[in-house]
Amino acid sequence: QSALTQPASVSGSPGQSITISCTGTSSDVGSYNLVSWYQQHPGKAPKLMIYEGSKRPSGVSNRFSGSKSGNTASLTISGLQAEDEADYYCCSYAGSSTFNWVFGGGTKLTVL
Amino acid sequence: EVQLVQSGAEVKKPGESLKISCKGSGYSFTSYWIGWVRQMPGKGLEWMGIIYPGDSDTRYSPSFQGQVTISADKSISTAYLQWSSLKASDTAMYYCAKKGGSGLDAFDIWGQGTMVTVSS
Repeated sequence: QSALTQPASVSGSPGQSITISCTGTSSDVGSYNLVSWYQQHPGKAPKLMIYEGSKRPSGVSNRFSGSKSGNTASLTISGLQAEDEADYYCCSYAGSSTFNWVFGGGTKLTVL
Repeated sequence: EVQLVQSGAEVKKPGESLKISCKGSGYSFTSYWIGWVRQMPGKGLEWMGIIYPGDSDTRYSPSFQGQVTISADKSISTAYLQWSSLKASDTAMYYCAKKGGSGLDAFDIWGQGTMVTVSS
């Protein structure tokens, strides 16, 4: 299956809000409420930020929120902080027959 | 503390074989799927496959089927990713990640990554 589609880059100033989109198909994002979002700082392993579309793991700031509409999921970061500057990846379950998952191409967030 | 600790960086020549590891601790290793993810230099994350250490049920992304082998030894809480004949295009960072159970269906814990460099 093809990778999910994310914008290559987004930017915002401290304190502002930004939204990153993640577009899939009716075979992945549209069919399952199993979209997750990962933050990756340079040279570091990815970190889970949102799971099952809109849930936050323990310890993740409530400035991070997720949603989904049809075949598109979104990650919103409010009150941008300098430490939010990172790459963000969405991921979706893509089928029970092969138990596959698919990632988005990633979005570079720059805090101006 | 729940953690996954991966084996160290590797430098190999094309055609050589390689097996890298991912050791879980702090949780019931046999009860959660472990996935493998590739990240080529400067590129995004790619899902490779997943194994359930409890019974070694293994699934592969179509893109990686036949290219790698995923296995696990539950007696030592370790998952593996192996190649029989490396190519230069296998140069990448490889991450293992634990998939949460019902109620946290995502990759919640990640290893630190293993850098594999294939060069003649």
